[in-house]
Amino acid sequence: EAGVTQFPSHSVIEKGQTVTLRCDPISGHDNLYWYRRVMGKEIKFLLHFVKESKQDESGMPNNRFLAERTGGTYSTLKVQPAELEDSGVYFCASSFSRGGAFFGQGTRLTVV
Amino acid sequence: AQSVTQPDIHITVSEGASLELRCNYSYGATPYLFWYVQSPGQGLQLLLKYFSGDTLVQGIKGFEAEFKRSQSSFNLRKPSVHWSDAAEYFCAVVTYNTDKLIFGTGTRLQVFP
Repeated sequence: EAGVTQFPSHSVIEKGQTVTLRCDPISGHDNLYWYRRVMGKEIKFLLHFVKESKQDESGMPNNRFLAERTGGTYSTLKVQPAELEDSGVYFCASSFSRGGAFFGQGTRLTVV
Repeated sequence: AQSVTQPDIHITVSEGASLELRCNYSYGATPYLFWYVQSPGQGLQLLLKYFSGDTLVQGIKGFEAEFKRSQSSFNLRKPSVHWSDAAEYFCAVVTYNTDKLIFGTGTRLQVFP
């Protein structure tokens, strides 16, 4: 069974540019989460989808971040325009229930 | 607000030694408790979880954790560490009214041969 897959694994962009991160959850998992770890800090929740609906987006930093989950399958997280403080590792996770989420390898985003 | 504290940022042990990683949480009731591990170049992997019942839970890779309500702790232990255990370990909680994980800052484990 394929795990949670994230693309790209690394991205280096200039300040002001746009970047789109993609997450393919485990098949059949209705719950999809985005988390972020800024260097040296804890991993922080960004948002939670249940199928295609946003269940909780309380962790989204500001309106430069836009998350979508088309048809309840894969999800994208767009940052537009990117700022220096957006640098970090973005994790996606999925779960069938509340028994513990399965995480992807993360996308390391560097904004220069 | 709920929070998780991992007081040890970095721990170094010799291979074969025992290990205990500390985790304390702040929450009014008993949350769901998790330990995750991130090996170099890898994603987060679930080691074990506690929801209810027996307070000593067994996980993968020979790890166990004990929930102590009186101390609001969920410490991770392993009797004999292997070099491949070198990684960063994260304690996390989920509360009843949300589905989001709240993580501690992580403990980086270094293992000497």
